[in-house]
Amino acid sequence: NAGVTQTPKFRVLKTGQSMTLLCAQDMNHEYMYWYRQDPGMGLRLIHYSVGEGTTAKGEVPDGYNVSRLKKQNFLLGLESAAPSQTSVYFCASSYSILSPEETQYFGPGTRLLVL
Amino acid sequence: GENVEQHPSTLSVQEGDSAVIKCTYSDSASNYFPWYKQELGKRPQLIIDIRSNVGEKKDQRIAVTLNKTAKHFSLHITETQPEDSAVYFCAASLTNRDDKIIFGKGTRLHILP
Repeated sequence: NAGVTQTPKFRVLKTGQSMTLLCAQDMNHEYMYWYRQDPGMGLRLIHYSVGEGTTAKGEVPDGYNVSRLKKQNFLLGLESAAPSQTSVYFCASSYSILSPEETQYFGPGTRLLVL
Repeated sequence: GENVEQHPSTLSVQEGDSAVIKCTYSDSASNYFPWYKQELGKRPQLIIDIRSNVGEKKDQRIAVTLNKTAKHFSLHITETQPEDSAVYFCAASLTNRDDKIIFGKGTRLHILP
């Protein structure tokens, strides 16, 4: 049981390049989330999904797109990377918050540097 | 939308003393309040949570209190130990609407020897 995994762990991009971050979970969780963490800013929700085939915007969705084609995977895409997107990206998953097992599990994070 | 304020941003306490971190939220309908601990270079991990139908919850040396009227909740750590040094995040969520969890900006806790 690997929990929540993220690929890649670290990436350097040039401005304007695109990339996709992959989050995978093997806990059969319905809910998945993408956050970015910047110094002094805490964790800010980018997009999230309440089930396979669904996505919704979080606090800071601009410049990102997501897809949840399979229940276990949640992809975060940057179509045209900007230096402001330099950050640590965390994926998380959980059962429904309404369920007794509502704990949100985080992945190990992806460090992204945009030059 | 929900907004979560967290104070202080940095806290230093002597080993063995208590630490208190406070958070306020803006949406009176929020009903789920988790606390996360993040050690340097690691992922956030849930340490305790509380729902709006409960005023206090305790788990060994950590406790959380919730004041719905004032819209604030607090994390209390007693008998602090060196391994308590970390960044702590509070969060709030309205679980029967959209399940978004909004985080505070974090408190860096230093336990002094």
